[in-house]
Formats: sequence, C-alpha cells, structure tokens
Amino acid sequence: GAVVSQHPSRVICKSGTSVKIECRSLDFQATTMFWYRQFPKQSLMLMATSNEGSKATYEQGVEKDKFLINHASLTLSTLTVTSAHPEDSSFYICSARDPRDRDNQPQHFGDGTRLSIL
Amino acid sequence: GNSVTQMEGPVTLSEEAFLTINCTYTATGYPSLFWYVQYPGEGLQLLLKATKADDKGSNKGFEATYRKETTSFHLEKGSVQVSDSAVYFCALRIQGAQKLVFGQGTRLTINP
Repeated sequence: GAVVSQHPSRVICKSGTSVKIECRSLDFQATTMFWYRQFPKQSLMLMATSNEGSKATYEQGVEKDKFLINHASLTLSTLTVTSAHPEDSSFYICSARDPRDRDNQPQHFGDGTRLSIL
Repeated sequence: GNSVTQMEGPVTLSEEAFLTINCTYTATGYPSLFWYVQYPGEGLQLLLKATKADDKGSNKGFEATYRKETTSFHLEKGSVQVSDSAVYFCALRIQGAQKLVFGQGTRLTINP
C-alpha cells in the first residue's frame, strides 16, 4: 500500500542550527502533504499544509519564517526549522493522502522525526 | 467548529481486560471518523475507520461504531494484550476537506 517516508528519524543539534526534515511519498504522487508537531504526551498539532508548486498554508500561530516548507516535487516536501532553539524540540510528523484514494480514505503518516535542540 | 474529545488518560489495565476509550465529536457536515494508534517512538498508524452513521470499523480485535445520534465513536476491545500498549487518537475529517482533526490522545498501558 501507499507509504510515506520521513527522514531523519532523530536529530540532535546545537542551538542556532537550521534543521531540514524530509517527507517523501514512496509510491504515489502527493499534491498535498501535512506537517504536524507533537509535544510530549500531547496530541498532534497541525502546523501547515504543504502544496506542491505553491506556498504552504500555515495554521494560526505558526511562524512562517521559523518553519519553512518547500514542496518542490510531487513526492517530496521539506520542513526546515530555522535557527532552532531548545523550545523547538519536539516530535514532527508528516502525512499525505494518495489522490487515487476515495475521499473517505485516510492519510498516510510518516514515522516522525524527533528533534532535540541542545 | 470541528473538534474531537477523547477520554482522558492514562488508562492502565491488566491483560485480557475489556477496553473502552470514549470519543465524541462536534462537526459541521458529515465527517469520516478514524482511530489511529501510535506505538512508542513511532508515527501514527491507522487502526480503523468508519465513513457514515452506523458503520462499524474493526481491526486487530478493536471495534468502533459511528453513532450519529450521540456523536460518538468509542473504541472497544474485548481482551487486551500487553502489545496493545500505545497512545490512541480519535480523529475526524469533514467530507471534501483534507485536514484531520485529532483528539488529545489516550495513553494505554497493559500490564501482564
């Protein structure tokens, strides 16, 4: 079935570093991907909707300049956390829908990226 | 607006116990309803779904019935196993929309 791959699975880096996370759809073309953030023991918060070939749509309260999203191809979306600080440490998860699926079919999720900023 | 409310956790049970995790929703239109499971350190996996009223989703011994009259989608399993320990998320998606709306998640721990 459809698979979404996320890379890297874990990142540990120093404060001030920019970190890029990749989300790939492996056997389908995803015009839309979603980026979520999950705080410890909490639910998923939708950060933005990534649209192939156009600007991402950010949820209220999410800083566009802090969390840069690029969806340059139909199988790849990237999230770059710019000048990361310890408060950006979190679990980031992407998802995508296979456009061939019927409307009532679910999204497919990546395995997530745990980001730790020292 | 659209929202999902889940039973607060954590929930701790003994192996072979009966499980219920409550989920209620508020939605405009006719949502599809989902249960996702997240094992430690992993992303989300779809557990089951239901797309219209009275549908029953089932998988791996888990069941949930779409109850429009009570706007609920409670998750049940007759006999839980240690391997069921995970965080469970109830979610909805409005027809024609792409975004998922998640509940807060319920952490389940099964003791041998």
